[in-house]
Amino acid sequence: DAGVIQSPRHEVTEMGQEVTLRCKPISGHDYLFWYRQTMMRGLELLIYFNNNVPIDDSGMPEDRFSAKMPNASFSTLKIQPSEPRDSAVYFCASSLVWAGSNEQFFGPGTRLTVL
Amino acid sequence: GENVEQHPSTLSVQEGDSAVIKCTYSDSASNYFPWYKQELGKRPQLIIDIRSNVGEKKDQRIAVTLNKTAKHFSLHITETQPEDSAVYFCADTYGSSNTGKLIFGQGTTLQVKP
Repeated sequence: DAGVIQSPRHEVTEMGQEVTLRCKPISGHDYLFWYRQTMMRGLELLIYFNNNVPIDDSGMPEDRFSAKMPNASFSTLKIQPSEPRDSAVYFCASSLVWAGSNEQFFGPGTRLTVL
Repeated sequence: GENVEQHPSTLSVQEGDSAVIKCTYSDSASNYFPWYKQELGKRPQLIIDIRSNVGEKKDQRIAVTLNKTAKHFSLHITETQPEDSAVYFCADTYGSSNTGKLIFGQGTTLQVKP
């Protein structure tokens, strides 16, 4: 398996533009997580899905952020409109939760810069 | 609330010395405690984890200890090497591990000086 795949790897956009980040989890995994990482706030959980259903979106900063998982192999995180304070590295992770392990496998991340 | 306290935020050691990073969790129902390592510009990756039914787990130069009474767990790295330099994150499940969710600590930047 290629692991968790994210695209794009880098995104530079201007304030007010819509940004869409994409994630393909590891095949067979039943959980998908979106994180944001900044120096100031560390690694923040934004939202996570179980079997394509959003379970907890309490970490989504505001209504400008939305996430979808239309099927087991694809998820998107959208920011509309984007703001400079959204600049961060966004990670997608997936896991297969069973009694022995909750290991999350992270993708390479998308570095977002909003000018 | 959902919170994992991690200390110290930075740690500098000489090559060959030991390093210890500590985390404190809040929910006594938490039962899974992983440690992730993130090298500069890379993704976080699991290096070791422990479940609540054991007090210690070792894997070569790294070990994790768990004190359920005090609700804290620690990462121990012995004979540190320059390649151990990275940011280390602890995490807990804030309750049952069946939710799949992890709450991460703020991270510890470890620098191993050659």
